[in-house]
Amino acid sequence: GENVEQHPSTLSVQEGDSAVIKCTYSDSASNYFPWYKQELGKRPQLIIDIRSNVGEKKDQRIAVTLNKTAKHFSLHITETQPEDSAVYFCAARAMDSSYKLIFGSGTRLLVRP
Amino acid sequence: NAGVTQTPKFQVLKTGQSMTLQCAQDMNHEYMSWYRQDPGMGLRLIHYSVGAGITDQGEVPNGYNVSRSTTEDFPLRLLSAAPSQTSVYFCASKRQAGTDTQYFGPGTRLTVL
Repeated sequence: GENVEQHPSTLSVQEGDSAVIKCTYSDSASNYFPWYKQELGKRPQLIIDIRSNVGEKKDQRIAVTLNKTAKHFSLHITETQPEDSAVYFCAARAMDSSYKLIFGSGTRLLVRP
Repeated sequence: NAGVTQTPKFQVLKTGQSMTLQCAQDMNHEYMSWYRQDPGMGLRLIHYSVGAGITDQGEVPNGYNVSRSTTEDFPLRLLSAAPSQTSVYFCASKRQAGTDTQYFGPGTRLTVL
């Protein structure tokens, strides 16, 4: 089955710097990769996603890149702000009949003002 | 639309007690799922349902039962609670198994003493 690994587990950056979180997946058939942001005590919320027929997707200060050959994808946050501080989860969708999302273990991002 | 709702928000149980975590959605979504979230382990899938009357096991199903008698509701039952089931539980839904965007409920924080 699908397995997703996420690094780093914690990341501390200065406000205004960029942050990069990386994930690898095991099933080459997976075709959908979302990123969720979870603020303290809140539910995970989808911030950006990418399908396997696209190499990069941007939405204002956030972008996701996908390398299908290497089976890894990354979240890039530019010009970080204190409100970006949260836990970020990557996920990959299994391509069996379950279509379940398999999540990485999460990255705690701290943006220092 | 209320989206995905969960009750209760908090619950404390004694070892061996049983309870049901409630989940409902008003978006007419076919696909619903339950996750547990533990520190450093991300979101792990417990059970999922691709439609009314159909349920299946996820990554960590032991100790939990589910049923799906209606499209709207997907309760999670703990038959005999154990301290290892102390966690935050999230319910999620999406329109169909193969669609992309998955929405999470607000979560239930469960403590088993």
